[in-house]
Amino acid sequence: QVQLVESGGGLVKPGGSLRLSCAASGFTFSGYYMTWIRQAPGKGLEWVSFISSDGKTISYADSVKGRFSISRDNAKHSLYLQMNSLRAEDTAFYYCARVSRLVEDYWGQGTLVTVSS
Amino acid sequence: EIVMTQSPATLSVSPGERATLSCRASQSVNNNLAWYQQKPGQAPRLLIYDTSTRATGIPARFSGSGSGTDFTLTISSLQSEDFAVYYCQQYNNWPGTFGQGTKLEIK
Repeated sequence: QVQLVESGGGLVKPGGSLRLSCAASGFTFSGYYMTWIRQAPGKGLEWVSFISSDGKTISYADSVKGRFSISRDNAKHSLYLQMNSLRAEDTAFYYCARVSRLVEDYWGQGTLVTVSS
Repeated sequence: EIVMTQSPATLSVSPGERATLSCRASQSVNNNLAWYQQKPGQAPRLLIYDTSTRATGIPARFSGSGSGTDFTLTISSLQSEDFAVYYCQQYNNWPGTFGQGTKLEIK
């Protein structure tokens, strides 16, 4: 069955960096676009970034452009999100999700990123 | 950016009754509309895509309808496990944008 497992979240000071990982299993990872979506505690869902199946097409939300970088390693069935220059407003649960037919059909359980001094 | 507006923010319904949730887009999204369910402490789960197609394993009591800018998620007979927050998402302009959610609570 499809499984997505995020890791790498934690507490970081403003201006700091974190790298999130998402380990995929149960499907042909190299055949799917992947996205990162975040949710501030008690708030709604915000798309952060996507990457194409071959890693050549990438896009970011304006709120993270220039600070976050998405990548993938198809040989390792893994998705990554490098987050630099973190701000308090980046505090959120970060979910990785598989994209199929333009919708996020499977989601990981999320990893919490807290940006605070 | 297409703005998605859900109503009501909170809906109180008794178990066994019918629930109707609404979602409106700021411009036409054709039939490129999905619904997700999120329970406390869990990730969102895809319920419906392409306005009315149920995702794998979703019970038949969940149905979607609409077109253009106005969409509805109907839960025909509420079960205890259905009380959650529901989000709509348009993907006509991809990547998609989400509504702010409707909390379905027990009356």
